[in-house]
Amino acid sequence: QSALTQPASVSGSPGQSITISCTGTSSDIGTYNLVSWYQQNPGRAPKLMIYEGSKRPSGVSTRFSASKSGNTASLTISGLQAEDEANYYCCSYAGGSTLVFGGGTKLTVL
Amino acid sequence: QLQLQESGPGLVKPSETLSLTCVVSGGSISRSTFYWGWIRQPPGKGLEWIGSIYSGGSTYYTPSLKSRVTISVDTSKNNFSLKLTSVTAADTAVYYCGRAGGYPSQIDFWGQGTLVTVSS
Repeated sequence: QSALTQPASVSGSPGQSITISCTGTSSDIGTYNLVSWYQQNPGRAPKLMIYEGSKRPSGVSTRFSASKSGNTASLTISGLQAEDEANYYCCSYAGGSTLVFGGGTKLTVL
Repeated sequence: QLQLQESGPGLVKPSETLSLTCVVSGGSISRSTFYWGWIRQPPGKGLEWIGSIYSGGSTYYTPSLKSRVTISVDTSKNNFSLKLTSVTAADTAVYYCGRAGGYPSQIDFWGQGTLVTVSS
């Protein structure tokens, strides 16, 4: 069970859209449409932003959306805002009631 | 509103056992169909799923830690616990407890996290 692969960093200007990729294998992302995404600010616990592939919890902005193709999931943030600057982690169900996380991506709003 | 709070020693010696407890308030562990899990994050690094316990008592661990981890639940105190044996410096991390829904497929409530340092 290996960690999912995310880019170490992405950046964008206010108002732009950015996409963070998350690559797994046929044992996790490729088989299950059960990817979740978390936002983490320094010194804080992660916050659930997307679950079951593309669903948003109550209170999460519609600017956050997600999708999947094959073994790769993607998180898109549109209309980028300064408050979106944070670390983002993907996570996938990996069978046997276990989860696997990505290494995290630092989003910088220029 | 559901709240989770980790507690336990902040310093553990190498080769000893790390023990943490997560107290759940605002909801009952026993009267739920959720997984109650532990996640850790080494300083400056990413998140790692450790394992979980289902409300019925079944446990599930990540393969790399399975030989050293035990997760248990105390329904009378509405808490669940983590034990990690034979720790080394590599186990130094912020440890989070969380509630996971689905299979589990997402962690929707998190504790604030507690830093555990392994050092002599």
